[in-house]
Amino acid sequence: QKEVEQDPGPLSVPEGAIVSLNCTYSNSAFQYFMWYRQYSRKGPELLMYTYSSGNKEDGRFTAQVDKSSKYISLFIRDSQPSDSATYLCAMRRNAGNMLTFGGGTRLMVKP
Amino acid sequence: ETGVTQSPTHLIKTRGQQVTLRCSSQSGHNTVSWYQQALGQGPQFIFQYYREEENGRGNFPPRFSGLQFPNYSSELNVNALELDDSALYLCASSLDRGQENEQFFGPGTRLTVL
Repeated sequence: QKEVEQDPGPLSVPEGAIVSLNCTYSNSAFQYFMWYRQYSRKGPELLMYTYSSGNKEDGRFTAQVDKSSKYISLFIRDSQPSDSATYLCAMRRNAGNMLTFGGGTRLMVKP
Repeated sequence: ETGVTQSPTHLIKTRGQQVTLRCSSQSGHNTVSWYQQALGQGPQFIFQYYREEENGRGNFPPRFSGLQFPNYSSELNVNALELDDSALYLCASSLDRGQENEQFFGPGTRLTVL
């Protein structure tokens, strides 16, 4: 079993929809949680960075962390075709800098 | 502010050869991490360098090695290439500020081993 599980998709939604992306994890030592967006043949771009449980909002993006359930989510409001990409969740322990990634969810937003 | 850059963009090698990939960290960052991303997978941590010393290593064999230079740029060397080494190699830089150290990725080097 992988430490971080993520549905690979693809997830196809119409423009303007609310998108929900999720990851589950098994290691309770993870304290820092990130979401990256990766366009085809490009490097990952950091979208959201959160510490421990709770919510964080940045524009159209909201990240949620539920450590008791070992579950993190990224919500995208008013989705746009330009949001079409692969979304990677990543997390790390309190000590050290190694990021553990999920496999990524491919999102397609159709005009 | 200059972002993370990597060279070359693409590379084709044959099995058994050696390869060197290069990374320039973002201005002001002192830590470089390397990841391997196979097609359709998430990145896998290879190792990290902080102040020219290896500072953590993932589950990769010794034929994967690296260097960090005084200007914080870095190299990833892979010896005795295998077909499974074909992947996107990503470099990420960060500023070690204790617990707060977001990693910012470069565009990657796509390595194909034939």
